[in-house]
Amino acid sequence: EVQLVESGGGLVQPGGSLRLSCAASGFTFSSYWMSWVRQAPGKGLEWVANIKQDGSEKYYVDSVKGRFTISRDNAKNSLYLQMNSLRAEDTAVYYCARDRTGGVCSNWFDPWGQGTLVTVSS
Amino acid sequence: DIQMTQSPSSVSASVGDRVTITCRASQGISSWLAWYQQKPGKAPKLLIYAASSLQSGVPSRFSGSGSGTDFTLTISSLQPEDFATYYCQQANSFPSFGGGTKVEIK
Repeated sequence: EVQLVESGGGLVQPGGSLRLSCAASGFTFSSYWMSWVRQAPGKGLEWVANIKQDGSEKYYVDSVKGRFTISRDNAKNSLYLQMNSLRAEDTAVYYCARDRTGGVCSNWFDPWGQGTLVTVSS
Repeated sequence: DIQMTQSPSSVSASVGDRVTITCRASQGISSWLAWYQQKPGKAPKLLIYAASSLQSGVPSRFSGSGSGTDFTLTISSLQPEDFATYYCQQANSFPSFGGGTKVEIK
């Protein structure tokens, strides 16, 4: 069974840092583009970042450029999101999501993890 | 950036009803559009990709159509498990989502 399990969320003060992890299983992790998508409480979905199979290409939404870093460890079947200089507006559930098919990036997201909540507040 | 606009923002419907949700892109995106279903407290689920391709395991009562800037998601006969929020998403450039359409029980 294909599974994605996020961890690392929690309460952090404005200006602080947090590292999210996503453990993948049930598929060949190194064959897929991977993404982070977030959802503020009661709001819609926002794509945050994605990363190519070998980590050679990374893309970010403008609002997190320079603050967030996406990375992966294919040996550990894991995806990461390092979040620095956190702001109140970064408060959200963060989902990791796999590209629907391996190979060329399609940006169709399937499946998704269950999400991890990040709360930025003093 | 490509903006995605969904309408309506909510719809009240009964079991068995036909429901149509529309999504408009701020510029042409060919068929680079997906639809997702999200239930409260759960992750989104991919229903439709490439505007009209049904994701494996998704019931055939769901269908998608459109290209360019205007797209629709149709549920042909609403079932109790279909009450949820639906999002469109463009994949022509950096991904972006519509604001969502909540399908509620009438």
